[in-house]
Amino acid sequence: EIVMTQSPATLSVSPGERATLSCRASQSVSSNLAWYQQKPGQAPRLLIYGASTRATGIPARFSGSGSGTEFTLTISSLQSEDFAVYYCQQYNNWRQTFGQGTKVEIK
Amino acid sequence: QVQLVESGGGLVKPGGSLRLSCAASGFTFSDYYMSWIRQAPGKGLEWVSYISSSGSTIYYADSVKGRFTISRDNAKNSLYLQMNSLRAEDTAVYYCARGLGGYINYWGQGTLVTVSS
Repeated sequence: EIVMTQSPATLSVSPGERATLSCRASQSVSSNLAWYQQKPGQAPRLLIYGASTRATGIPARFSGSGSGTEFTLTISSLQSEDFAVYYCQQYNNWRQTFGQGTKVEIK
Repeated sequence: QVQLVESGGGLVKPGGSLRLSCAASGFTFSDYYMSWIRQAPGKGLEWVSYISSSGSTIYYADSVKGRFTISRDNAKNSLYLQMNSLRAEDTAVYYCARGLGGYINYWGQGTLVTVSS
């Protein structure tokens, strides 16, 4: 099983600031990496797939990068609606796995 | 628009059984593979099971293999998860999810399964 490790566990950021979230895979997943946003009481929402492609309707302030084992989700200027938990997911094989999540909270 | 609506969750005793259903609409159900993904209270996401568009290919997480059975009825646009020999650690919100190329592009609202005596 491919283990996905996200860091940090919690990120405190002021509105308007930049947030950088990391995700590391225990072995290469090529570009088969997605990012999801989850708010309390809601289902996750797809943000990024293929490591860097924004899903339909996702604002340009969200960007993804990386390949192989190291990935980054960047939120260029945090808006109030962006405070949430973010998960990475590898889908390099059928045994897809998720990271443990990064909570982005208001500083 | 795409809608996935889960049902069938509830409180069940350890060792008991439960069958979850997911009603799909707004897309051609038979064209897509589907998955069940769960989230224990206050925890992260865990993939549970996958079924191909035709139902011919099925995978399970090790944690549920031999106890859970995924199935689908393309004529009824429905996905199912039969859960047997339930354990306390199966307590979670169970999401029905539509996949595309490996990632999940649509999620249901989830149904809560609580395993407790």
